[in-house]
Amino acid sequence: QLQLQESGPGLVKPSETLSLTCTVSGGSINSSSYYWGCIRQPPGKGLEWIGSIYYSGSTYYNPSLKSRVTISVDTSKNQFSLKLSSVTAADTAIYYCARHSGSGTCYSPVDYWGQGTLVTVSS
Amino acid sequence: DIVMTQSPDSLAVSLGERATINCKSSQSVLYSSNNKNYLAWYQQKPGQPPKKLIYWASTRESGVPDRFSGSGSGTDFTLTISSLQAEDVAVYYCHQYYSIPFTFGPGTKVDIK
Repeated sequence: QLQLQESGPGLVKPSETLSLTCTVSGGSINSSSYYWGCIRQPPGKGLEWIGSIYYSGSTYYNPSLKSRVTISVDTSKNQFSLKLSSVTAADTAIYYCARHSGSGTCYSPVDYWGQGTLVTVSS
Repeated sequence: DIVMTQSPDSLAVSLGERATINCKSSQSVLYSSNNKNYLAWYQQKPGQPPKKLIYWASTRESGVPDRFSGSGSGTDFTLTISSLQAEDVAVYYCHQYYSIPFTFGPGTKVDIK
């Protein structure tokens, strides 16, 4: 059974960089079938897609965050990572790792989610 | 960006009764070359990540009870729970994966009356 696990600091100071690592188990990130993504949800609010990456390193980002976001992949560790720079309180959210459902395209629904990790931006 | 709206914001339905949630996209999510609607429905319970229920607007995910059904095309979509069960209490989101940025509706909260 595929599992995704988020890890990273739960507290980040304003203007600093949020870093999150997603570890994939029960399957290989090095698959031509899937894109891997990051989605966030401010507490009590709705869902926002941040971006997605292919095992080759090809990425798609939400234009509203593009200037601050980098998603990278490490196939040797079966991980992908999110970096979000210059954070503010508005970036406080539960951050989810996710997998798109397949066919080698990002244009597919997410079918696997991590449990999510709350990242709070505060001094 | 494609803006997703949902109605109602919340609804309370008696056990065993029908619940209907509507979703509208600001532009069509029907891809003409394959005649597929790039629209999914998710269920989210408190403290849990979303769970995919429906994709391609009307295809039920494996293992999802058949009381859940999706319909619609183009810009107007519906999620129906034919006979509400206690375990269906959750927030339901529609989601378009037709164009970047992928977007979600604001959610509809379903409760027991």
